[in-house]
Amino acid sequence: QQQVKQSPQSLIVQKGGISIINCAYENTAFDYFPWYQQFPGKGPALLIAIRPDVSEKKEGRFTISFNKSAKQFSLHIMDSQPGDSATYFCAARSGSNYQLIWGAGTKLIIKP
Amino acid sequence: EAGVTQFPSHSVIEKGQTVTLRCDPISGHDNLYWYRRVMGKEIKFLLHFVKESKQDESGMPNNRFLAERTGGTYSTLKVQPAELEDSGVYFCASGGSGKINEQFFGPGTRLTVL
Repeated sequence: QQQVKQSPQSLIVQKGGISIINCAYENTAFDYFPWYQQFPGKGPALLIAIRPDVSEKKEGRFTISFNKSAKQFSLHIMDSQPGDSATYFCAARSGSNYQLIWGAGTKLIIKP
Repeated sequence: EAGVTQFPSHSVIEKGQTVTLRCDPISGHDNLYWYRRVMGKEIKFLLHFVKESKQDESGMPNNRFLAERTGGTYSTLKVQPAELEDSGVYFCASGGSGKINEQFFGPGTRLTVL
């Protein structure tokens, strides 16, 4: 049973456009929601994270929007650049449990 | 500062053989995690060490998988005997003591079982 559902599986966006990746979760005990970015041949790297007490967090061109009632959160990449081309994973964790529960990943391609 | 390193980067073995994956965490990190991503699916947690102790091994798929972290430094993950469904990318991550949200990932080992 997949506890974090991520969509789309792949995404192509023109340079300068907005990339949007969505995740939905089931477990209401989740209280930490990170997004990871992975380039080919590298491991996932933490990009940005949010807790459910806020509805939005922004770091540079990257924004997480969080909807607690809908149990959904999304990553928005503004002014998308070819260097943003990577696989993006959402994840979730609850309480004192160190274990991350992951989405299936989105392969993002930014066309120049 | 060196990041998390994993060896080998790729391994191709026959079904029934044994493979040992190694992870060297960032120096001084007490927390060490193993994850696995099977082709195109989500990354799944395997287990978590705190120093040399297994804190949580709830994600280990079966008793063909054995993880060790002798001395609380590097860790090994042995698969014996390997099955076709064990193919995937195995990631190791490490984090500082008490830093629950800190997980720095290695580049992974791609395991192919034929």
